[in-house]
Amino acid sequence: GQNIDQPTEMTATEGAIVQINCTYQTSGFNGLFWYQQHAGEAPTFLSYNVLDGLEEKGRFSSFLSRSKGYSYLLLKELQMKDSASYLCAVLQAGTALIFGKGTTLSVSS
Amino acid sequence: DSGVTQTPKHLITATGQRVTLRCSPRSGDLSVYWYQQSLDQGLQFLIQYYNGEERAKGNILERFSAQQFPDLHSELNLSSLELGDSALYFCASSPRDSEKLFFGSGTQLSVL
Repeated sequence: GQNIDQPTEMTATEGAIVQINCTYQTSGFNGLFWYQQHAGEAPTFLSYNVLDGLEEKGRFSSFLSRSKGYSYLLLKELQMKDSASYLCAVLQAGTALIFGKGTTLSVSS
Repeated sequence: DSGVTQTPKHLITATGQRVTLRCSPRSGDLSVYWYQQSLDQGLQFLIQYYNGEERAKGNILERFSAQQFPDLHSELNLSSLELGDSALYFCASSPRDSEKLFFGSGTQLSVL
């Protein structure tokens, strides 16, 4: 089975940088995804890591360490519209994408 | 717009009833996934179909069933509904297996 842990809530201010951590325990690891979900809306894809290291995409970056079962999502230059839930999800061989419970990020001015 | 279409957007029904949720994947996508999202459990994987065949099963109850038709659309059937089945049900699709998912806007099910 899988166990995916991420903080329940985080707060930050506009313009700041925030790091959302995710730890997982799984067998047959095939990749780690981050999704963003605004309240009442569908999750949307942010990033994908399958090899160790940092993937950068604009204001968002994601890091993976497979040996530590650890990933983080880094959000820079925070904007009010970044207030949302951020879902860490692990792809395990033989099954579909399994999601953590998500981190609700609140950005204030 | 992800290209994944789910109907209906909202569904209100009573305990003991049966409902069918429908999903049309993005054009060309062969894989369809169903997820249930409730406030306390997060996004829970139910079942995956690939080109008409069941590919993976998650925490799907025996009262729930799904299928994928030759035109690749999928239906999720929920029967003997209970209050606890009230949730947001998402369908997602991907071109093949083990790829990033594109989610529909969901069906909000309320069981009264």
